[in-house]
Amino acid sequence: QKEVEQNSGPLSVPEGAIASLNCTYSDRVSQSFFWYRQYSGKSPELIMSIYSNGDKEDGRFTAQLNKASQYVSLLIRDSQPSDSATYLCAVTTSNTDKLIFGTGTRLQVFP
Amino acid sequence: DGGITQSPKYLFRKEGQNVTLSCEQNLNHDAMYWYRQDPGQGLRLIYYSQIVNDFQKGDIAEGYSVSREKKESFPLTVTSAQKNPTAFYLCASGDRAGDGYTFGSGTRLTVV
Repeated sequence: QKEVEQNSGPLSVPEGAIASLNCTYSDRVSQSFFWYRQYSGKSPELIMSIYSNGDKEDGRFTAQLNKASQYVSLLIRDSQPSDSATYLCAVTTSNTDKLIFGTGTRLQVFP
Repeated sequence: DGGITQSPKYLFRKEGQNVTLSCEQNLNHDAMYWYRQDPGQGLRLIYYSQIVNDFQKGDIAEGYSVSREKKESFPLTVTSAQKNPTAFYLCASGDRAGDGYTFGSGTRLTVV
C-alpha cells in the first residue's frame, strides 16, 4: 500500500461546478496535511494546510480531514478553467520530519 | 522578497558529464530537499538535509550527490552514474515538515 494515494484522474468538471479531490494515507499518526497545486511545467504551490478534523475554508477552497478514516479532501467551489492543474496531497510521517507526496490528481475544468 | 532560487531553468547534459544544479534560499529554513519529477509522475525524494554539514539519502539517491556547506545553499550534482537523468528537478525548503515546504521554480534537465 502506498503511503499517500490519490486518483490520477483526469477529473473533468464544467465551469462553475464543485470539484472534489480525495486523498488517503496509511500512517495513522500523521499530524499535518497539505494540498499543493501544480500547473503544467511549473513547481508545486501550497494552497491549503489542515491539522485537525473537520473543514477548513479559504476562499473557494475547502479542505476536509477525517483522521479516523485516514482521508483528506479538497473541494473547489465555482471551478474556473484557471483551476485546471494537478493537485498534490502531502502528509507528514510519524518517524521522520518529512512530507510524503501523493502522485497527484489532474483536474480539468472545461468552459 | 524571501524565496528559493533554482538555476539554471534549463540544462542540457551530454552523456558522461556531471552537472550541478543550484538551489539557494533566503527563508532562513533549516531543512532543504531535492525531488525529481518525471512526466505524469509524482515527486520522488533524492536527498535532504535538515542541518548544515549533514544530509541523508532519499528514495532515489543513486547517481546523485549533494553538499550543505551553508544554510542557504543545497546544490545537487547529477553524476554520469545516473543513467536516466532527464527530468524536472525541484528544490524545496522548510523549517518543519508540519509547516509545509516552499518549492523553487525547478530545473529541467535534458540529456543530449
